[in-house]
Amino acid sequence: EAQVTQNPRYLITVTGKKLTVTCSQNMNHEYMSWYRQDPGLGLRQIYYSMNVEVTDKGDVPEGYKVSRKEKRNFPLILESPSPNQTSLYFCASSTPSRTHNEQFFGPGTRLTVL
Amino acid sequence: SQKIEQNSEALNIQEGKTATLTCNYTNYSPAYLQWYRQDPGRGPVFLLLIRENEKEKRKERLKVTFDTTLKQSLFHITASQPADSATYLCAGAGYALNFGKGTSLLVTP
Repeated sequence: EAQVTQNPRYLITVTGKKLTVTCSQNMNHEYMSWYRQDPGLGLRQIYYSMNVEVTDKGDVPEGYKVSRKEKRNFPLILESPSPNQTSLYFCASSTPSRTHNEQFFGPGTRLTVL
Repeated sequence: SQKIEQNSEALNIQEGKTATLTCNYTNYSPAYLQWYRQDPGRGPVFLLLIRENEKEKRKERLKVTFDTTLKQSLFHITASQPADSATYLCAGAGYALNFGKGTSLLVTP
C-alpha cells in the first residue's frame, strides 16, 4: 500500500530535550516536506527536499532541522524544543514538482512541549 | 505576500443539498489550485487539481471551478452526505504550495 508513515504519532516532551520525528514514504517520491498545523493558522511549510541531499527552508524553519540521506526518509529534528513548537506535524511527499502534483500526507504527529 | 483565503465560518447544510465552498487568492496568480479533504486529527487527502486554463473540473460528486478574473475557485459537492463532513483545504501553486486555513463542512441528515 502506497503510504507516508510518521513516528511517533504522539509525543509529550519537555523544553530543551532533543527529539526526532521520522517520516518515510514507499512511493519513490523525490519531493518531501514537513508542515505544521496550528488552529487559526492553517498548514505552514517548515522544510522541503527536492531530492537526496537537497533541502531548503519553507515558511517557518526556525528551531527545526532536517536531513535527506535516503530517498524514502526525511526526519524532522528539534534540537532544543520550546513550548511554541507544540503543534500537529505532517510529512508529505510527491513526484518531482513542489506544487503541481498531488501531495501525499502522513497521518500526523501531535507534539506537546512542556 | 501570496495568500489563499477560505471562509473561516463553518458551513452547515442538509443532506442531499449541494455544498459550495469558496477559495480566494491574492497577490499572485497560481498556475494550479488543489483541493484536499481533512478529517479531525488526520492528514489531508488530495481530491482535485485544476489548472488556470481549465474553467471546470469534475470527479464523481465533486466539481471545482477556477475563475482567474474573480481570483476565485469554487468547490461543489452535489447530493451531499453526512460522510462528506470534514474540513476542506484549498492550496495554490506559487513559489510553494500555499494552503488556506480550510472550511469546515457539516452535513446533517
